[in-house]
Amino acid sequence: KQEVTQIPAALSVPEGENLVLNCSFTDSAIYNLQWFRQDPGKGLTSLLLIQSSQREQTSGRLNASLDKSSGRSTLYIAASQPGDSATYLCAVRGGRYGNKLVFGAGTILRVKS
Amino acid sequence: GAGVSQSPRYKVAKRGQDVALRCDPISGHVSLFWYQQALGQGPEFLTYFQNEAQLDKSGLPSDRFFAERPEGSVSTLKIQRTQQEDSAVYLCASSPDRVTGQPQHFGDGTRLSIL
Repeated sequence: KQEVTQIPAALSVPEGENLVLNCSFTDSAIYNLQWFRQDPGKGLTSLLLIQSSQREQTSGRLNASLDKSSGRSTLYIAASQPGDSATYLCAVRGGRYGNKLVFGAGTILRVKS
Repeated sequence: GAGVSQSPRYKVAKRGQDVALRCDPISGHVSLFWYQQALGQGPEFLTYFQNEAQLDKSGLPSDRFFAERPEGSVSTLKIQRTQQEDSAVYLCASSPDRVTGQPQHFGDGTRLSIL
């Protein structure tokens, strides 16, 4: 069974700091990995999607990497801002698991001004 | 408002009551997913539709949970004889792609509280 783990569970940093969120998964037979942002009381907003053949994706201050063989992904946020405060979730979609997404429990990020 | 719409946003029910949660996907999206998100956890897959066909219901936790999408657009998740452990946020997502089911566009969810 695919399991997805996110570390740390919570993170508090001062504004301007660079930070890294970690995601690991047990089954390397994935099609892709996706990072989402969830604000309180809201649904999920997709940030970055990395296909299994890719090593990284970048969007603005966000950079996500994927090491499929070791079952790891990182989300790097540069120059963090208070508006980045949210829960960040990673999810994998894999061959054996069809089109459903398997999520980690998330990292709660707080950026202090 | 072209996004995924879920109603009600909040639902409080007494243990043992039946509830129905509605999802209006983005127009034209063939794939529709339901997820359950417990407090402090990530969403967990419940069921998946392609048009009106329920192709995967492996995540439904018990036979008290039932989902339908009779005309291939609006979907309803019904929970019978609710129990306290059913308290969670129920998220609906839709996708235009029938093969990959991605990208998934999420609604804001229905927060269900069972007293």
